[in-house]
Amino acid sequence: QKEVEQDPGPLSVPEGAIVSLNCTYSNSAFQYFMWYRQYSRKGPELLMYTYSSGNKEDGRFTAQVDKSSKYISLFIRDSQPSDSATYLCAMKYNQGGKLIFGQGTELSVKP
Amino acid sequence: NAGVTQTPKFQVLKTGQSMTLQCAQDMNHEYMSWYRQDPGMGLRLIHYSVGAGITDQGEVPNGYNVSRSTTEDFPLRLLSAAPSQTSVYFCASSWGGSSYNEQFFGPGTRLTVL
Repeated sequence: QKEVEQDPGPLSVPEGAIVSLNCTYSNSAFQYFMWYRQYSRKGPELLMYTYSSGNKEDGRFTAQVDKSSKYISLFIRDSQPSDSATYLCAMKYNQGGKLIFGQGTELSVKP
Repeated sequence: NAGVTQTPKFQVLKTGQSMTLQCAQDMNHEYMSWYRQDPGMGLRLIHYSVGAGITDQGEVPNGYNVSRSTTEDFPLRLLSAAPSQTSVYFCASSWGGSSYNEQFFGPGTRLTVL
């Protein structure tokens, strides 16, 4: 079993929809949780970062961490065609530790 | 700042050939890492370095070598290429001292081994 599981999709939604992307993990020692966005043929870039449990909001994006369920989510409100990309969750045990990535979910937002 | 740069962008090798993927960063980051990305597998860590002269293995190190003689450069060597090494390779760098040390990724090298 992988340490971090993410549904690879693809996920296709109409413009303006609310998108929910999720990851589950097996090791309760993870403390730092991140979402990276990767456009086609580009390197990933950090989108959201959360330490421990709770919510974090940045514009149309909200990241949630539920450590009791070992589940993290990324919500995108009012989705735009420019949000079409692969979204990768990532997590690590401590501040200097290695990042463990999920498989990535490919999202397509149709005009 | 150029950020993280990688060369070449594309490469085709024959089985058994060797080559070096170059990675450089101009942000004075301590940490540098190499990942490979395959369909359905996400990013998997090959090797990483926490400073000049210090390297360690990641999740999938077999068939690859690294060295870190300077802060700026972190080359990845394929010793004897195999078709299973066909992948997209990303180099990343980050600070060592920040609370979450965001990783900055390069644009990737697409490698095909025939």
